[in-house]
Amino acid sequence: AQKITQTQPGMFVQEKEAVTLDCTYDTSDQSYGLFWYKQPSSGEMIFLIYQGSYDEQNATEGRYSLNFQKARKSANLVISASQLGDSAMYFCAMSSGGNTPLVFGKGTRLSVIA
Amino acid sequence: GAGVSQSPSNKVTEKGKDVELRCDPISGHTALYWYRQRLGQGLEFLIYFQGNSAPDKSGLPSDRFSAERTGESVSTLTIQRTQQEDSAVYLCASSPLVRPGRDTQYFGPGTRLTVL
Repeated sequence: AQKITQTQPGMFVQEKEAVTLDCTYDTSDQSYGLFWYKQPSSGEMIFLIYQGSYDEQNATEGRYSLNFQKARKSANLVISASQLGDSAMYFCAMSSGGNTPLVFGKGTRLSVIA
Repeated sequence: GAGVSQSPSNKVTEKGKDVELRCDPISGHTALYWYRQRLGQGLEFLIYFQGNSAPDKSGLPSDRFSAERTGESVSTLTIQRTQQEDSAVYLCASSPLVRPGRDTQYFGPGTRLTVL
């Protein structure tokens, strides 16, 4: 069975600083995908970034990058130049090779301080 | 284009009543998923529709929960004889079947269900 672990229930970061949100995963599948979603207080789930298990390069999307370490089974999200609007819950999730349901971690609440 | 829409946005019901939640996926998205998010928790998978294949119901917590989808359009999630532990936000997501394993799931705004 697949499992996602997010060990940081809450994080604080100063505005304009970078922050890393941790995510480790467990799976016996060779082909899988890793996703990060942002959930502001409004409740919507916003897709941020995707990393495939066979992707050689770490994924980047604007201020978001994914530090993928396959041997360690970790897929940490790095947010550069934090903004007040980045304050939200962040969820790491994974899927197996097909279009299967996502397995989510419990999330990390990020608070950006001015 | 339009995103995933869900209705109602909020539903308050009494214990023992039945409720129906609706999801309109993004046009052309073949896959549709229902998840449940209890307060302060991550998302739990409930049920998954992929095209005309039999749905994956492995996440439904009890036989009080059921869902239908007609073709690649609207889906309804029905909860019969609601219990207080059913109180949660019910999220629907859809994705295309273009790149298996790589397709992003796009979420609707959710329905907040409160069972009194």
